[in-house]
Amino acid sequence: NAGVMQNPRHLVRRRGQEARLRCSPMKGHSHVYWYRQLPEEGLKFMVYLQKENIIDESGMPKERFSAEFPKEGPSILRIQQVVRGDSAAYFCASSGREASYEQYFGPGTRLTVT
Amino acid sequence: AQSVSQHNHHVILSEAASLELGCNYSYGGTVNLFWYVQYPGQHLQLLLKYFSGDPLVKGIKGFEAEFIKSKFSFNLRKPSVQWSDTAEYFCAVNADDYKLSFGAGTTVTVRA
Repeated sequence: NAGVMQNPRHLVRRRGQEARLRCSPMKGHSHVYWYRQLPEEGLKFMVYLQKENIIDESGMPKERFSAEFPKEGPSILRIQQVVRGDSAAYFCASSGREASYEQYFGPGTRLTVT
Repeated sequence: AQSVSQHNHHVILSEAASLELGCNYSYGGTVNLFWYVQYPGQHLQLLLKYFSGDPLVKGIKGFEAEFIKSKFSFNLRKPSVQWSDTAEYFCAVNADDYKLSFGAGTTVTVRA
């Protein structure tokens, strides 16, 4: 299956720990988008990356959150010093074209902060 | 910024029943509209999309949706559901860029 892969699927962290979420885009895709779904809400755009570049991080919280998409390897969404309010499902999507709304999604990572 | 609301949080119905899920959006300009589905344990996948033209759009697995511009709505329908349609359904809107705005989702449970 050459679809978008995310791991882990479920992640439990204690308050104050770091969370690292990984996303491998579809084969041949070099554009990655991260979305967050808080409880009882819809998915909200966080960040758009191309290889080695952050293009648009307008949806990222100002503190503790960062994202990267290195030349080699998966895209990483990193949350430092997690708090209970970070508990959510984090979805990654990829596209083959630049800045495209035709995005292919992964299964999501469900983060629980205890 | 656009917003999307889905009318039902959880729908339970029996096999062969008809399904209609409501979706309304708020945005004054031209939009692209999508319905995604997430089966248990799987990735979000596109059911159907509307960009322009015929407001009645047919998607995969027997689903269709109707765009009613005057009502800012894009409701999803299926005449006869199967147990395998049990999933979470998301309506999404895109205005003039790549950012998709999603509704909160509707969980559909089909009883055999």
